[in-house]
Amino acid sequence: DGGITQSPKYLFRKEGQNVTLSCEQNLNHDAMYWYRQDPGQGLRLIYYSQIVNDFQKGDIAEGYSVSREKKESFPLTVTSAQKNPTAFYLCASSRVTSGRSGANVLTFGAGSRLTVL
Amino acid sequence: AQKITQTQPGMFVQEKEAVTLDCTYDTSDQSYGLFWYKQPSSGEMIFLIYQGSYDEQNATEGRYSLNFQKARKSANLVISASQLGDSAMYFCAMREGWGAQKLVFGQGTRLTINP
Repeated sequence: DGGITQSPKYLFRKEGQNVTLSCEQNLNHDAMYWYRQDPGQGLRLIYYSQIVNDFQKGDIAEGYSVSREKKESFPLTVTSAQKNPTAFYLCASSRVTSGRSGANVLTFGAGSRLTVL
Repeated sequence: AQKITQTQPGMFVQEKEAVTLDCTYDTSDQSYGLFWYKQPSSGEMIFLIYQGSYDEQNATEGRYSLNFQKARKSANLVISASQLGDSAMYFCAMREGWGAQKLVFGQGTRLTINP
């Protein structure tokens, strides 16, 4: 079955360390996204990518980096510059809309929970 | 300014009753889309229903319907005949324009269905 695989599910990090969260999709979607969710809050967009080797900053990109070397993969690195990295991270993918019909639904992975010790 | 506002932090409903979850949005775009997602305690986001700004009819998907009032900029989710499994967080989200589905999410409503 097609879907999105995120790993690891849980991750603990010491302050000052970089960590990389994996996201792989086999849905043949062009676009991929990273969202952050804090307790009791909605999702906020970190980065997104519409095609390979290209990505754009979202609303809260500071302290994060991404790469898109393959269509299927969009890893997120949480760097030591991210001041408050403890959060739930969700990866998603979608087709890219063309025209006014528009419901290219985001499919989400199961998420990765990062805790900074 | 908040682009998506969900004013109900929590709601408690008896099983089998209908429930309406409120969502208002703010955009100056003519082309936009509105989504509802469900997030159970496990954390995954489950797509429920979509309404495009040009759609003249309210969207329906099984027990879910979207009460779209464009002039009021409101997109409320209606769940008919609620079930215990409907207990979860519910998020309203909006996509502006076309291309990548950059969604802006509301703060969510925690729905609890009582037996």
